[in-house]
Amino acid sequence: ETGVTQTPRHLVMGMTNKKSLKCEQHLGHNAMYWYKQSAKKPLELMFVYSLEERVENNSVPSRFSPECPNSSHLFLHLHTLQPEDSALYLCASSQDLAGAAGNTIYFGEGSWLTVV
Amino acid sequence: RKEVEQDPGPFNVPEGATVAFNCTYSNSASQSFFWYRQDCRKEPKLLMSVYSSGNEDGRFTAQLNRASQYISLLIRDSKLSDSATYLCVYSSASKIIFGSGTRLSIRP
Repeated sequence: ETGVTQTPRHLVMGMTNKKSLKCEQHLGHNAMYWYKQSAKKPLELMFVYSLEERVENNSVPSRFSPECPNSSHLFLHLHTLQPEDSALYLCASSQDLAGAAGNTIYFGEGSWLTVV
Repeated sequence: RKEVEQDPGPFNVPEGATVAFNCTYSNSASQSFFWYRQDCRKEPKLLMSVYSSGNEDGRFTAQLNRASQYISLLIRDSKLSDSATYLCVYSSASKIIFGSGTRLSIRP
């Protein structure tokens, strides 16, 4: 059983819709992440939060808007997406920001997003 | 040069065989190393951490070579259930870097 849960697991949305992905971690971790994985492509880091503060934003289009209200919850707000945004969106957490020896990252099961 | 490079494969080997793949990294300040496994349409899951002295977990052995900047994963007596994509991961400073993965397919 994963300590990181994501909802919804599957989402189909139109290009004019607004929706949100939710992530919750039950591990007491301080860092949380959003990754995108498109078909047959490597993981792309989107956002990093540490203690509820955004510490990294990898040139992600503004149609993706993260929110971290507390250290155990992370949202990804979606607005006017494009079909090429269809992908698996993975939330992850780690005890602290990467770099600490032995700091392991744990993933949620992902949210499959299809933009039509 | 990419921060981390892996042979994408696929490696197609018979059940029971031994298979090994490497991953090279460019940042000599990298601190921690891991192998993750990702099954088709699933999230990546930690397979094992990689320690400087090398470590073994059952049929899996991971090695780190800091001088040549690579890590390796050896799988002995491969099983059908080992078929997956194996992701090389390292962390440095405030970044975790994932490789693009090596696809392994075990045939009966």
